[in-house]
This record gives sequence, C-alpha cells and structure tokens, in this order.
Amino acid sequence: DAGVIQSPRHEVTEMGQEVTLRCKPISGHNSLFWYRQTMMRGLELLIYFNNNVPIDDSGMPEDRFSAKMPNASFSTLKIQPSEPRDSAVYFCASTPGGGNTEAFFGQGTRLTVV
Amino acid sequence: AQSVAQPEDQVNVAEGNPLTVKCTYSVSGNPYLFWYVQYPNRGLQFLLKYITGDNLVKGSYGFEAEFNKSQTSFHLKKPSALVSDSALYFCAVGLNRDDKIIFGKGTRLHILP
Repeated sequence: DAGVIQSPRHEVTEMGQEVTLRCKPISGHNSLFWYRQTMMRGLELLIYFNNNVPIDDSGMPEDRFSAKMPNASFSTLKIQPSEPRDSAVYFCASTPGGGNTEAFFGQGTRLTVV
Repeated sequence: AQSVAQPEDQVNVAEGNPLTVKCTYSVSGNPYLFWYVQYPNRGLQFLLKYITGDNLVKGSYGFEAEFNKSQTSFHLKKPSALVSDSALYFCAVGLNRDDKIIFGKGTRLHILP
C-alpha cells in the first residue's frame, strides 16, 4: 500500500478564497483523522470519522471549516473563506480501528493564506 | 476528557548519553499510549505503543518507554543517543472505547555531536 496520500503538498491562497484539502486513507482502515499542526498549538485533532461517519468534530475551530468522507477511500477538509490564521500544516491519518492501533500519517499539506 | 502533557519544549543531549523525553497523560479509563517521531517536512512516524501487559515497551530505532500507572507517565528513553535521533517527538493517548487519539505538543530533541 502507498500509505496515506494527501494532496496538495503545498497550497498558497489569498485570504477569502476557498481551500480544499484531500486525503486518501490506507485501504481497509476504518478510522480517519484530520489534524492541524502549528508552532503555537502543536498537533490538534480537528475531526475524526469511523466507517465514513463523523464521530467527533469538537476540534473544528469555526464554521468556516468543514469535512466530508463520501466513501471509505476519500475525505476532504474545506476552509471557506480562508484566513491568514489558518496557515498551518494539515495532516490526515488513518487506522484500522479498535483504539489500540497506531495511526498512519500522510505527508501533510502546508497551507499558507496570504 | 483525555489529554497529554509534554513538559519540555526542547531536550538537549550529548551523543552517546542516555536520553529521556517526558510524557504524562490524563484519561478516565485504561489508556493506550503511543510515541511518534517527526523529521523535518515529514509526517509523523510511529515508534512504539503500550496497550497492556509489560510496562516496558520496546520500539523502533532502539527506543523504549515505560508505562507508570501511578504517576500517569509514559516517558520515552534510549540508552545511547545518536545525532540522527534529533527530531520532534510526540506522545499520544487513546482510549479503548473509541478511536480518538490525542497528541501532546511535542518535544524537540537535539543530540549534540
């Protein structure tokens, strides 16, 4: 398996624009996570899905953020409208499920909002 | 709610010396504990985990960690540090009732030649 695949690797956008980040989890994994990494706040859990269903979105910072998982092999994180403070590295991770299994991370998307 | 604390933003160790990166956790219930490492411009890589059983767990690259229930700690250790161990290290905690994994803020480890 190629691992968790995220796209794009880098995104530079202007404030106010819509940004969509994409993730393909490892085949057969039941849980998918979106994390945001910044120097100030470390690695924050934004939302996670189990069997394509959002289970906990309490980490989503504002209504400007939304996430979907239309099927087991694809998820998106959308920011609309984007703001400079959204600049961060966004990671997607997946696990086989069960709580005791480690998460496998993608390479991340570095988002810069100017 | 579950949480993880890594009290040191940075740890400096001379090459060849033992290293310890500290982690404490707070959960209601039995925790699953993990350590990950992140190299520059890369995603996180799994190092080791504690689920149950022996309190001392061994992982990749010669790292090990000790689960201490009374102190709610899960410190990462290595007997002899290498310059190549320099990276950002994250402790994480999960619960057996769901798949949620919460990470600490990370500790930057510098191994000095």
